[in-house]
Amino acid sequence: DAGVIQSPRHEVTEMGQEVTLRCKPISGHNSLFWYRQTMMRGLELLIYFNNNVPIDDSGMPEDRFSAKMPNASFSTLKIQPSEPRDSAVYFCASRFSGETGETQYFGPGTRLLVL
Amino acid sequence: AQSVTQLDSQVPVFEEAPVELRCNYSSSVSVYLFWYVQYPNQGLQLLLKYLSGSTLVKGINGFEAEFNKSQTSFHLRKPSVHISDTAEYFCAVSDSGGYNKLIFGAGTRLAVHP
Repeated sequence: DAGVIQSPRHEVTEMGQEVTLRCKPISGHNSLFWYRQTMMRGLELLIYFNNNVPIDDSGMPEDRFSAKMPNASFSTLKIQPSEPRDSAVYFCASRFSGETGETQYFGPGTRLLVL
Repeated sequence: AQSVTQLDSQVPVFEEAPVELRCNYSSSVSVYLFWYVQYPNQGLQLLLKYLSGSTLVKGINGFEAEFNKSQTSFHLRKPSVHISDTAEYFCAVSDSGGYNKLIFGAGTRLAVHP
């Protein structure tokens, strides 16, 4: 089992550029979550999908952020245009939602630095 | 809505000493409770979780936690820590229905010293 896979692991970009973060959930999992981690705000849930459908995107900071899940094995989080305050570690997590209380499994994260 | 308070941002402790990391939650509905650990430059890994049943939950790496409904607490304990336990520990809560969205506390940094 490869676990949740995220790419890239590190991204350095300049303000105004588009950034795309990618996530491959664990096979068989049907819920996917995007989190952002910063020193100031801790771990924040940005958006989560169930069966590829966005259920709650209330945590998405603003219109510059968008997320898609075109199929059960792939999701993207896009920031356009990026700003220095978007610098953070972005985590993707997945779980099987067939039973309540199922564990969320986290990927290793993408460390984003916007200059 | 649920919320989680981790009462200590940092806990220094000597190797082989016992440790307790405190977590309190608030919720108007039944909850599930989780402890995750994050080692440097890694993602979060589940230590243990409480869903129902026995209020004492045992997890990986010798950790355990006790659910106390009257005090709305879920403190994490280990009787003897190792240097390798140095990490950030997160308490999280979700409601017992719906999509079980996790709400995380701010984290506690455990620093184990030789």
